Amino acid sequence: EAGVAQSPRYKIIEKRQSVAFWCNPISGHATLYWYQQILGQGPKLLIQFQNNGVVDDSQLPKDRFSAERLKGVDSTLKIQPAKLEDSAVYLCASSSPSGGASYEQYFGPGTRLTVT
Amino acid sequence: AQSVTQLGSHVSVSEGALVLLRCNYSSSVPPYLFWYVQYPNQGLQLLLKYTSAATLVKGINGFEAEFKKSETSFHLTKPSAHMSDAAEYFCAVNRRGGNEKLTFGTGTRLTIIP
Repeated sequence: EAGVAQSPRYKIIEKRQSVAFWCNPISGHATLYWYQQILGQGPKLLIQFQNNGVVDDSQLPKDRFSAERLKGVDSTLKIQPAKLEDSAVYLCASSSPSGGASYEQYFGPGTRLTVT
Repeated sequence: AQSVTQLGSHVSVSEGALVLLRCNYSSSVPPYLFWYVQYPNQGLQLLLKYTSAATLVKGINGFEAEFKKSETSFHLTKPSAHMSDAAEYFCAVNRRGGNEKLTFGTGTRLTIIP
């Protein structure tokens, strides 16, 4: 089966500019996650979708970050305006239809964002 | 609240030597525990997971981990290191009965010395 797809793979922008990342999860996976991975740290969950509804966005900086998942499939994460501290790898993951805490999350290759 | 602590941000072992990466967890309820591997410029891949069926869990690429409740540990081991094992390894915990919100450790970079 095809894995989680993300684009772009790399993005360089100046601070105060906006940027958007796209994710296509594994077919049939109802749950989709966006993580932020800062250099030298583990991934941190930004937002979790179940189908097209938000389950958890408690760590999403809502003043500048937004995310949507239209039709319960693809998802877009946007940053506007970007700050230097947003430089990180943004990972998208999805998990199986049955969900559950023990189920594996499948990760995409990530988008490496550099804010200058 | 749940958390994991990975001891040692960098570990170097010789090719053929034992690999031991340490992970201790904190959870108010019985946890699910995971080890993920991340190769350069790639996403995370699941190595193995503990879901209470057996305390010794075998994963891919010859890795295994043992859940020790008394020590709140879930250390990752491999008897003989291979050059291809060089990567970043992350321990993660999830809460049973909760949603699928993984909490990751800060990672351990494994270097293999030829």
